[in-house]
Amino acid sequence: DTGVSQDPRHKITKRGQNVTFRCDPISEHNRLYWYRQTLGQGPEFLTYFQNEAQLEKSRLLSDRFSAERPKGSFSTLEIQRTEQGDSAMYLCASSYLAGGTGELFFGEGSRLTVL
Amino acid sequence: GEDVEQSLFLSVREGDSSVINCTYTDSSSTYLYWYKQEPGAGLQLLTYIFSNMDMKQDQRLTVLLNKKDKHLSLRIADTQTGDSAIYFCAENSGGYNKLIFGAGTRLAVHP
Repeated sequence: DTGVSQDPRHKITKRGQNVTFRCDPISEHNRLYWYRQTLGQGPEFLTYFQNEAQLEKSRLLSDRFSAERPKGSFSTLEIQRTEQGDSAMYLCASSYLAGGTGELFFGEGSRLTVL
Repeated sequence: GEDVEQSLFLSVREGDSSVINCTYTDSSSTYLYWYKQEPGAGLQLLTYIFSNMDMKQDQRLTVLLNKKDKHLSLRIADTQTGDSAIYFCAENSGGYNKLIFGAGTRLAVHP
């Protein structure tokens, strides 16, 4: 399977702990996106990378959130000092820059539950 | 600003047509998309339409685009129980393919 993969699929943590999610995009895709989806809502844009450069961050991404894509391949999203309001599904998507329809290919998500 | 709006729920009888509507705000969007999300699964692209088109047909799916009113619709012909899912409308915003999604329309298909 050469789709977008995310790890872990589920994470339960206590408030105040740090968590890290990993995303492996489709190998030839140079753009990588993080979205957050809460119950009953559509995905909300958090940030995206073109290769290793982080080009845009949403206002939703507080100082407790940091994302990296050090070698332009996989990406990590870290949440420090988690709060109950961080409970959500964190979705990663990738796309190819040149031409095409701009379609984003999504992983199955990492569900975070903060107790 | 960026905003995509959809009705939240649609219930149809199996075999009937479903029409899901969406309004968007970014007139510079080059593509508009419909994604499908089944329970416990990620989002999958269902279809898309280029902004200079009015209509696109793909088997049981018909997409209509009214650029003047910034209105997009998805028609599913002969709706089946397997079509039960959440359908998200999305616009691409700016030059970097950042997709902005609506809240999703939950389609329920009953016998």
